[in-house]
Amino acid sequence: AQSVTQLDSHVSVSEGTPVLLRCNYSSSYSPSLFWYVQHPNKGLQLLLKYTSAATLVKGINGFEAEFKKSETSFHLTKPSAHMSDAAEYFCVVKVANAGGTSYGKLTFGQGTILTVHP
Amino acid sequence: DAGITQSPRHKVTETGTPVTLRCHQTENHRYMYWYRQDPGHGLRLIHYSYGVKDTDKGEVSDGYSVSRSKTEDFLLTLESATSSQTSVYFCAATGANTEAFFGQGTRLTVV
Repeated sequence: AQSVTQLDSHVSVSEGTPVLLRCNYSSSYSPSLFWYVQHPNKGLQLLLKYTSAATLVKGINGFEAEFKKSETSFHLTKPSAHMSDAAEYFCVVKVANAGGTSYGKLTFGQGTILTVHP
Repeated sequence: DAGITQSPRHKVTETGTPVTLRCHQTENHRYMYWYRQDPGHGLRLIHYSYGVKDTDKGEVSDGYSVSRSKTEDFLLTLESATSSQTSVYFCAATGANTEAFFGQGTRLTVV
């Protein structure tokens, strides 16, 4: 079984300040982990992915995330928020090395809405 | 997005009628998924497929069925639509070692 918990449903920051969106996962097998962003009334865009290579992953638009196996976490950060970062963010886990029908199954967190104030 | 096409993009239907949503991919991905997105719930998995004719239930599968007769097509059917199935539906596809690619979504309204 696998699950994803996004620890904050809403995060509010001021423009130019750091962003931290928290994600914890549970997986019986080695996971692949992803962060997606969804702007209002839009589809889902991949920000970054972890697939068992480097634990610090850099993505688009200045975002990065660190895979910490001991803490089962994959938190998303950005040093300086921009107004255009306001959106909903989803942490996603995919079982990468499992046997059986759960292989490839994608599980989403509940989402974190990021608000950026001028 | 990356060869994932959903049809229709918008649909209004009456309670009790059958509805089929289509997802078509051009990248030969093995795995395909149907999700529904509702405020406060994120994306919840309805059904997924791990190969032609191989499907399994997700967490909110009641009232939905799927079929995958070809690698490129994954159909989602609401046998008898209910108002609780009003939602935005997303299809996704992925390979073994790739991220998921999503369609643009289908907004379904059941009146």
